[in-house]
Amino acid sequence: GAGVSQSPRYKVAKRGQDVALRCDPISGHVSLFWYQQALGQGPEFLTYFQNEAQLDKSGLPSDRFFAERPEGSVSTLKIQRTQQEDSAVYLCASSPLEGEAFFGQGTRLTVV
Amino acid sequence: DAKTTQPTSMDCAEGRAANLPCNHSTISGNEYVYWYRQIHSQGPQYIIHGLKNNETNEMASLIITEDRKSSTLILPHATLRDTAVYYCIVRVVFTGGGNKLTFGTGTQLKVEL
Repeated sequence: GAGVSQSPRYKVAKRGQDVALRCDPISGHVSLFWYQQALGQGPEFLTYFQNEAQLDKSGLPSDRFFAERPEGSVSTLKIQRTQQEDSAVYLCASSPLEGEAFFGQGTRLTVV
Repeated sequence: DAKTTQPTSMDCAEGRAANLPCNHSTISGNEYVYWYRQIHSQGPQYIIHGLKNNETNEMASLIITEDRKSSTLILPHATLRDTAVYYCIVRVVFTGGGNKLTFGTGTQLKVEL
């Protein structure tokens, strides 16, 4: 596809359940970012990959959050033992090494 | 990265120019001004960026004051589809990638008939 694709678009999880969110970046984009957006707020940075290397994970809120990009393309954001405060939209963005970021539509996670 | 201040919301009549202000009084000499927008239920979309000169592209114009402490994003002929949250971001651009964005709460622009 032409853009960044994220799946699923919506996810409802029971508190304590593990979830996995997928991001398919634009083909050839070296950089991949994950952001978290709470209702009514701007997106907040979670983590950054350059190819398969996770170079910055300073924004991950706890050790329940884990991201990977094993082959330098598709990325997965995993949240273990979900809590209500994890409810948010999770946005993925990709870019060339130096260039503007293109965002996906996001995955809306609701923890009940 | 320097902090920015934007109005919470603005209204604009369709067909008129929308002028969105941003204050960034603590901007450093090597920080760029970026604008993104986010239409409801979509991811943010890049609009334009600049360092100190005014910039124009097919989407908008960016006017940066001479002292670089403020800027204005101009949508010359706003349409209903321009209704969105507009984010002004200032940041250093490092070579070698990893240039994450620090979003604030932005300006909710509502374009009306």
